[in-house]
Amino acid sequence: EPEVTQTPSHQVTQMGQEVILRCVPISNHLYFYWYRQILGQKVEFLVSFYNNEISEKSEIFDDQFSVERPDGSNFTLKIRSTKLEDSAMYFCASSRQAYEQYFGPGTRLTVT
Amino acid sequence: AQSVAQPEDQVNVAEGNPLTVKCTYSVSGNPYLFWYVQYPNRGLQFLLKYITGDNLVKGSYGFEAEFNKSQTSFHLKKPSALVSDSALYFCAVRVPGGGADGLTFGKGTHLIIQP
Repeated sequence: EPEVTQTPSHQVTQMGQEVILRCVPISNHLYFYWYRQILGQKVEFLVSFYNNEISEKSEIFDDQFSVERPDGSNFTLKIRSTKLEDSAMYFCASSRQAYEQYFGPGTRLTVT
Repeated sequence: AQSVAQPEDQVNVAEGNPLTVKCTYSVSGNPYLFWYVQYPNRGLQFLLKYITGDNLVKGSYGFEAEFNKSQTSFHLKKPSALVSDSALYFCAVRVPGGGADGLTFGKGTHLIIQP
């Protein structure tokens, strides 16, 4: 069964550094998403992407964040200058229609 | 703004007994409702959804959920719990709109099935 994959599984970075989190959505899916889950808290929506552009973004998704689909398979989340409070599990998700979303295993980002 | 409430942080059930994990929602408009399960150090796995139609929806691993519009609830149920059902369960909602809208999640309920 096709799955969403994410790399790396764990990323440690220093405050102020740029990080890129990578995702490979399920191949015939058209909608792509990023969420984050700070330890012990609920899963929060960051951004959705459809037809090569951002469809919706939350208040969390400020100018420090960007997303890109650089080729036909990858979907990336870039954080330009990481802060301590960016430490979280970041989940990528994809969906074929605008119904259920399928999530990847997540990337744990630790900012020191 | 839409929101989801899962009033129980933890639900304890003996193996073989029926289980219910509660979820209520607040949206303007007709909701799409979802349940996801998260095992330790894993991503969220889709269990089931309500989009339209029959209020009782069936999903993976023997789980089902009942949409109740008047009570704005979407409780997750299973007739006979297994120890392997122990996990963190999330209810989520979105309102149909532009097509790529994000899900709003509840805070999650830890389900513990005791042997």
